[in-house]
Amino acid sequence: DGGITQSPKYLFRKEGQNVTLSCEQNLNHDAMYWYRQDPGQGLRLIYYSQIVNDFQKGDIAEGYSVSREKKESFPLTVTSAQKNPTAFYLCASMIMGLAGGNEQFFGPGTRLTVL
Amino acid sequence: AQKVTQAQTEISVVEKEDVTLDCVYETRDTTYYLFWYKQPPSGELVFLIRRNSFDEQNEISGRYSWNFQKSTSSFNFTITASQVVDSAVYFCALSEAPDFNKFYFGSGTKLNVKP
Repeated sequence: DGGITQSPKYLFRKEGQNVTLSCEQNLNHDAMYWYRQDPGQGLRLIYYSQIVNDFQKGDIAEGYSVSREKKESFPLTVTSAQKNPTAFYLCASMIMGLAGGNEQFFGPGTRLTVL
Repeated sequence: AQKVTQAQTEISVVEKEDVTLDCVYETRDTTYYLFWYKQPPSGELVFLIRRNSFDEQNEISGRYSWNFQKSTSSFNFTITASQVVDSAVYFCALSEAPDFNKFYFGSGTKLNVKP
């Protein structure tokens, strides 16, 4: 079955520790995205990547880092510099299109809690 | 400024009632796309519909219908005869030129359908 997997589903971290969230897709999509969701605030874009070895900052990139070494994988590292990391993190992917109109597909999300 | 506004934070209805979720967008481009997604309690966003700026026809899919009006920059979503399974958070999103691969999401509307 094609889709997006995120692991782990729940993640607990001590304050001051870095943590990496996994996102893998087997849809052969070019573009991948990381969003953060806080209660009542909708989805905010952290980083996105349209091609391997390249990525762009979104609206709230501070305190986060990403890599895109393989087309299928787009891991997100939440660093100790992120002041309020407790949130629900969603990964998405999409077929690139210059003319637009393609939808993003989403993974099941990772809920990160900082203790 | 918000590109996509969903002014209704939370709506509660009783089963079988009709309900309309509002979405107002802002863009200067003549070419753009609008999307609706459903986020059930499990967390994964599910794509419902896309609309391009050149197609103002309303769309109906079963109990779901969408009303796109460029004159008021709105793309509203109506559920007819709501059911408990419709309970979810619904997001409206916009993609616009030149980067159609970047989406702007509204803050979402939480719909509670009570039996």
